[in-house]
Amino acid sequence: AQKITQTQPGMFVQEKEAVTLDCTYDTSDPSYGLFWYKQPSSGEMIFLIYQGSYDQQNATEGRYSLNFQKARKSANLVISASQLGDSAMYFCAMREDSNYQLIWGAGTKLIIKP
Amino acid sequence: SAVISQKPSRDICQRGTSLTIQCQVDSQVTMMFWYRQQPGQSLTLIATANQGSEATYESGFVIDKFPISRPNLTFSTLTVSNMSPEDSSIYLCSVVLGVSYNEQFFGPGTRLTVL
Repeated sequence: AQKITQTQPGMFVQEKEAVTLDCTYDTSDPSYGLFWYKQPSSGEMIFLIYQGSYDQQNATEGRYSLNFQKARKSANLVISASQLGDSAMYFCAMREDSNYQLIWGAGTKLIIKP
Repeated sequence: SAVISQKPSRDICQRGTSLTIQCQVDSQVTMMFWYRQQPGQSLTLIATANQGSEATYESGFVIDKFPISRPNLTFSTLTVSNMSPEDSSIYLCSVVLGVSYNEQFFGPGTRLTVL
């Protein structure tokens, strides 16, 4: 069964609008962490934001915030005021504390239109 | 965060040859990972390389094909041996920081094309 699901293979968004990238996960481990990465066409994998399963508040990093809904097992990434440079692949990943490996979603290709 | 560099950044190789990819980190790290990303795909873990021990390979990856060295806490190499066009991928090294594993950073990747 898929442990990380990103249902949006691709998205087009107008510049300056907010973007929500969906991520749902499946785990029976009570302790886990959720990651979002950005991968531009250059290929590098850029760490954006992290949310721990026991964190009380949603994580934020600049224009990035994570909408963490634990009961629904969702960890959507919100990008405020999108910029042309936000065009990239975005990957959601999970690490269960019982296993140090990252489990990856299939990714969402985001294209920001001017 | 960690500053991670990889060499080469890209290469075009002939089938049957081997390529060694280097990964250098600006701080000492215990856990280092090697990933492969085939075109249009997500990341797949090849192996975990801890200093002072043999690398641990994931299902589908073997040491003869992907030998790994980890001579110290800041450096590792991955060799892609006897290459075929199916090995054309981006290869990324990655390190974990923090005792709670809540920080994992990646190198810039090596884009390999095998003809």
